[in-house]
Amino acid sequence: GQQVMQIPQYQHVQEGEDFTTYCNSSTTLSNIQWYKQRPGGHPVFLIQLVKSGEVKKQKRLTFQFGEAKKNSSLHITATQTTDVGTYFCAGPTSGTYKYIFGTGTRLKVLA
Amino acid sequence: DGGITQSPKYLFRKEGQNVTLSCEQNLNHDAMYWYRQDPGQGLRLIYYSQIVNDFQKGDIAEGYSVSREKKESFPLTVTSAQKNPTAFYLCASSPWDRDGYTFGSGTRLTVV
Repeated sequence: GQQVMQIPQYQHVQEGEDFTTYCNSSTTLSNIQWYKQRPGGHPVFLIQLVKSGEVKKQKRLTFQFGEAKKNSSLHITATQTTDVGTYFCAGPTSGTYKYIFGTGTRLKVLA
Repeated sequence: DGGITQSPKYLFRKEGQNVTLSCEQNLNHDAMYWYRQDPGQGLRLIYYSQIVNDFQKGDIAEGYSVSREKKESFPLTVTSAQKNPTAFYLCASSPWDRDGYTFGSGTRLTVV
């Protein structure tokens, strides 16, 4: 079946360092979504990418959708302690509203 | 304000008892979902519903049941058949055009 994998599983960075998480799908995706879950909280929708090669920015966060629409990345520039949490990507299954969530990358920022 | 309400936030039950988790949304979203999250793990889909009176099994439906009698409500019952029910349960909804899920704040179920 369709799988969505993320690497790395965990990442510890010093505050101010950059961070990148990668998302890879076993199938071509019509779009990809990214979510952030703070410790003890629930996932919050960040962004959706639709076009091949699309790049979107939200302040220090840069999201990219691969040319083949099978992979995506989230890059955070100059991390802050508020960036702590788990970042999930999610891709849709064909013909349904159902999204398959990636395995997640847990980010820890050391002050 | 629109959103999803899950109740209760914490729930304790004895082994062998059925328990129902509530999920209500006032976002007028068509689709609703239930996910299970274990400590340090990702989200696993239990059930989902695209329209009222219709729902489909997700990846880990065994031991769970749902109903969708109203657009706003999608309760989840954890039955005694679920072998390891202790987990964090998240309800979500989305509009028909897939513009991101909105999650509730979750219910932490502990079975003792």
